[in-house]
Amino acid sequence: SAVISQKPSRDICQRGTSLTIQCQVDSQVTMMFWYRQQPGQSLTLIATANQGSEATYESGFVIDKFPISRPNLTFSTLTVSNMSPEDSSIYLCSVQGSGWGHPYEQYFGPGTRLTVT
Amino acid sequence: SQQGEEDPQALSIQEGENATMNCSYKTSINNLQWYRQNSGRGLVHLILIRSNEREKHSGRLRVTLDTSKKSSSLLITASRAADTASYFCATDRNNAGNMLTFGGGTRLMVKP
Repeated sequence: SAVISQKPSRDICQRGTSLTIQCQVDSQVTMMFWYRQQPGQSLTLIATANQGSEATYESGFVIDKFPISRPNLTFSTLTVSNMSPEDSSIYLCSVQGSGWGHPYEQYFGPGTRLTVT
Repeated sequence: SQQGEEDPQALSIQEGENATMNCSYKTSINNLQWYRQNSGRGLVHLILIRSNEREKHSGRLRVTLDTSKKSSSLLITASRAADTASYFCATDRNNAGNMLTFGGGTRLMVKP
């Protein structure tokens, strides 16, 4: 399976500021996904990021709030903009298995724990 | 609303006992996956079961799928304290099987 890393692992930010989360994969992957996990809750898909195209956002998530970059096949960033305490969550990136795993299995990074004060 | 709902929401058992978690979903699926999450960390993929499969085993894990009832169960046999974690089911929403909708999760506590 792929090794996925995220930076930062955690951060405490003030409201109104922005934080960019990085996701690095040790294999080339076509699709990367960003999820949010609010405290005590399950995961919700934010967007799908394909290299070379605009990210596709799920209902309730917009590009102005969560801009995503996908400059190459191993890297993506998610920015949480103009943060409020409601954005306090764990943000996880994931990739779909390809070649090295079942094509439908998804593999997750360790997550970024964000606290907004 | 979430595709999957899991029960129980929390489960506490003694080491050595079996743990069963259930997942229900609403629409047709291609695959159903189970994941484990330790203390708010990243998710670990446990097992994937296809819609045309009824049962699958992996070590101490046994997963069943009943598409007529739109439900799945995860059985962990001979549980260990290290199995303490949250367990989530996830279903796919498209034919590519990559846009996952997660259930609410079951928090499992295995007491030594």
